[in-house]
Amino acid sequence: GENVEQHPSTLSVQEGDSAVIKCTYSDSASNYFPWYKQELGKRPQLIIDIRSNVGEKKDQRIAVTLNKTAKHFSLHITETQPEDSAVYFCAATFGGSQGNLIFGKGTKLSVKP
Amino acid sequence: DSGVTQTPKHLITATGQRVTLRCSPRSGDLSVYWYQQSLDQGLQFLIQYYNGEERAKGNILERFSAQQFPDLHSELNLSSLELGDSALYFCASSVGFKGAYGYTFGSGTRLTVV
Repeated sequence: GENVEQHPSTLSVQEGDSAVIKCTYSDSASNYFPWYKQELGKRPQLIIDIRSNVGEKKDQRIAVTLNKTAKHFSLHITETQPEDSAVYFCAATFGGSQGNLIFGKGTKLSVKP
Repeated sequence: DSGVTQTPKHLITATGQRVTLRCSPRSGDLSVYWYQQSLDQGLQFLIQYYNGEERAKGNILERFSAQQFPDLHSELNLSSLELGDSALYFCASSVGFKGAYGYTFGSGTRLTVV
């Protein structure tokens, strides 16, 4: 069935270090892979996305890579800052659906000053 | 402000009761999606509407139902409430239904069942 696996569930890094979160998906027809950041008590907000015809996308300190053959994609945050602390969710659309996103279970990132 | 409006922000009700959550999509968006987020859980897809029609169903209980009205706002009805239904309920909207580009979440409704 439709499934997105996300690892790790928690991640703690020192300020200035890099953080990497990985996701795998089950449907080879998936073609859109967004990442959302959710701060405590707030709504998930889109931070970066990638489409299946692209292997990598960067936006300042964040980047996403996609490996369609292996069906996995990753979020990379460089030079982490305390304000990066939040829960990050990956998601994927599935070919048989009408565009709804299936989310991973989230990664709680803590950046220690 | 994301442009997606959810009301109420908080709701406390007793087991066995029925509640209605409301969502107004961003201007120009035709699709509305409902998600449930329980404590320490991810975002569980419930249901999607596009321009008034149901388009996709996820893990939505039979006690739950939804609809989208001609003005495109959507309501999620939860009945025979149980303690386990306590959660944050988010709606999101997007322009189309093929692909989830421009998927924007509202601020959520926190439901507490006591």
